[in-house]
Amino acid sequence: RKEVEQDPGPFNVPEGATVAFNCTYSNSASQSFFWYRQDCRKEPKLLMSVYSSGNEDGRFTAQLNRASQYISLLIRDSKLSDSATYLCVVNGFTGGGNKLTFGTGTQLKVEL
Amino acid sequence: GAGVSQSPSNKVTEKGKDVELRCDPISGHTALYWYRQSLGQGLEFLIYFQGNSAPDKSGLPSDRFSAERTGGSVSTLTIQRTQQEDSAVYLCASSKDGGSYNEQFFGPGTRLTVL
Repeated sequence: RKEVEQDPGPFNVPEGATVAFNCTYSNSASQSFFWYRQDCRKEPKLLMSVYSSGNEDGRFTAQLNRASQYISLLIRDSKLSDSATYLCVVNGFTGGGNKLTFGTGTQLKVEL
Repeated sequence: GAGVSQSPSNKVTEKGKDVELRCDPISGHTALYWYRQSLGQGLEFLIYFQGNSAPDKSGLPSDRFSAERTGGSVSTLTIQRTQQEDSAVYLCASSKDGGSYNEQFFGPGTRLTVL
């Protein structure tokens, strides 16, 4: 079983749609969680951290369920510029430091 | 301010040759990470440096891979006797320190092709 699993997509959605991505992780000791965005042939960039209470940043909402080891990202009113690959990232702090484990990503294509 | 920089941006080499990849982290960042991303694959952790502590090398795939960080700043990833399966984009990231919620800032990567 992969440490971090995501549906690879692609998710093709019309502009203005709401889309949700899910992610599961296997290490119950994982301490911190993130969504990164990666555009084609570019480096990943932090979209948002994910906290236990859930958090929202504009059109983006992230949720964490530790009991189910599940993370989600909701994008409302999607824009063409949201087209990218969304990476679910889990930090399995090893005591000696951080070790980010990345999912393989979910591809989003927002269309006119 | 300046972000993480990496050089070269592209490297083509022949199987069996050694290569060195360089990373300049953001000034003042004490934590530095190396990852690689193969075509269609997720990012794979390679090695992590934090300050003067011994690096976490747990992700290095073989003893042909090594990395060092001189003076707590610039890092070099060395791959000896390259193999075709080493072809990937090698990404470097830095963060302010090793805190678990600190954002990691990525460089543009070095695309390595082993012929």
